[in-house]
Amino acid sequence: EPEVTQTPSHQVTQMGQEVILRCVPISNHLYFYWYRQILGQKVEFLVSFYNNEISEKSEIFDDQFSVERPDGSNFTLKIRSTKLEDSAMYFCASSEGLGLAGYNEQFFGPGTRLTVL
Amino acid sequence: QKEVEQNSGPLSVPEGAIASLNCTYSDRVSQSFFWYRQYSGKSPELIMSIYSNGDKEDGRFTAQLNKASQYVSLLIRDSQPSDSATYLCAVNKGYSSASKIIFGSGTRLSIRP
Repeated sequence: EPEVTQTPSHQVTQMGQEVILRCVPISNHLYFYWYRQILGQKVEFLVSFYNNEISEKSEIFDDQFSVERPDGSNFTLKIRSTKLEDSAMYFCASSEGLGLAGYNEQFFGPGTRLTVL
Repeated sequence: QKEVEQNSGPLSVPEGAIASLNCTYSDRVSQSFFWYRQYSGKSPELIMSIYSNGDKEDGRFTAQLNKASQYVSLLIRDSQPSDSATYLCAVNKGYSSASKIIFGSGTRLSIRP
């Protein structure tokens, strides 16, 4: 069964450093998302992406964050200058996008645990 | 008011019994509703989606939706120890095909042997 994959599974970085989190969405899916979950808290939306453009972003997704689809398979999240409060699990998700608006099921990858020291 | 509210639990249910998980949402324009299961340290796994009022059954799982009451529930029949996890209720307002999912904080379910 097709699944979303993410690398690395765990990333440790120093405050102020740049990190890139990578995702390979399910191959025939058209919509891509990043969410994050701080330990003990709920899953929060960061950004959605379609047709090489950001569709929607949350207040969390400030100028420190960017997303890119550098080729036909990868989808990346870059944090330019990490802060301690960026420590969280980052989940990539994708959806097929063929149904009516809002009726698309989103499938999550296994996540990248980011630790900022 | 939280957009998606769930009782945090833990909800303890004996093995073989029915587990009942509840969720309310605040925005009437919400279009679609999902239940995800999340094991500790793992990612959310989609187990049910429901879009119209009534019941939807899939194996041991039944999702129920009442849009008038803004209420979604998940029933798990013949509960197994492997069902012990946090169950996340999620809502999509459906503004576009790229609409975000809004998650509740989750209900922790424990199935006791």
